[in-house]
Amino acid sequence: EAGVTQSPTHLIKTRGQQATLRCSPISGHTSVYWYQQALGLGLQFLLWYDEGEERNRGNFPPRFSGRQFPNYSSELNVNALELEDSALYLCASSYLAGRGTGELFFGEGSRLTVL
Amino acid sequence: DQQVKQNSPSLSVQEGRISILNCDYTNSMFDYFLWYKKYPAEGPTFLISISSIKDKNEDGRFTVFLNKSAKHLSLHIVPSQPGDSAVYFCAARPSGSARQLTFGSGTQLTVLP
Repeated sequence: EAGVTQSPTHLIKTRGQQATLRCSPISGHTSVYWYQQALGLGLQFLLWYDEGEERNRGNFPPRFSGRQFPNYSSELNVNALELEDSALYLCASSYLAGRGTGELFFGEGSRLTVL
Repeated sequence: DQQVKQNSPSLSVQEGRISILNCDYTNSMFDYFLWYKKYPAEGPTFLISISSIKDKNEDGRFTVFLNKSAKHLSLHIVPSQPGDSAVYFCAARPSGSARQLTFGSGTQLTVLP
């Protein structure tokens, strides 16, 4: 069974540009979560999608947005990139929409570098 | 505010000894606590969890203890192995409608051969 897949693995952008990151959840999983891990910091919650709807968002500015498609894949868009957006962006999926033990299955992440 | 805290950024342990990783939380409305392990260039992988109604959960070499009165949990690894060297994240899930996990900042465990 394929795990959570993310693309691209690495992305280099300049300030002011837009970045789009993509995530395919494990087959059968309907919930997708996005987290940011900046250097030296823990995982900061960005967005949660379930069944195509945004269920919750973390304390990030509106230039961080995303969507979930009918096949449950998701993309994260970051507009007007700033230097501090440089981070590892992790996508995770689950099949219980936050029920059960809360276990999330993570992808390997997309490393975004803003120059 | 940081609701889940891991105050030790790093820990070194000799192979075969016990590793104890600690985590504190401030929100009494968490219903599950989880530990994740992360190797460089990989995503975090689930290790073990505990319900807020339990005080201990064991899985092989890994045991998680929960002290609700102190709002503290710990992960014990016995015996520690060099392959356990990784960053360990503590995570907690709120019991309300916001069901996403809140993570601590992680502890880098190094097991010395």
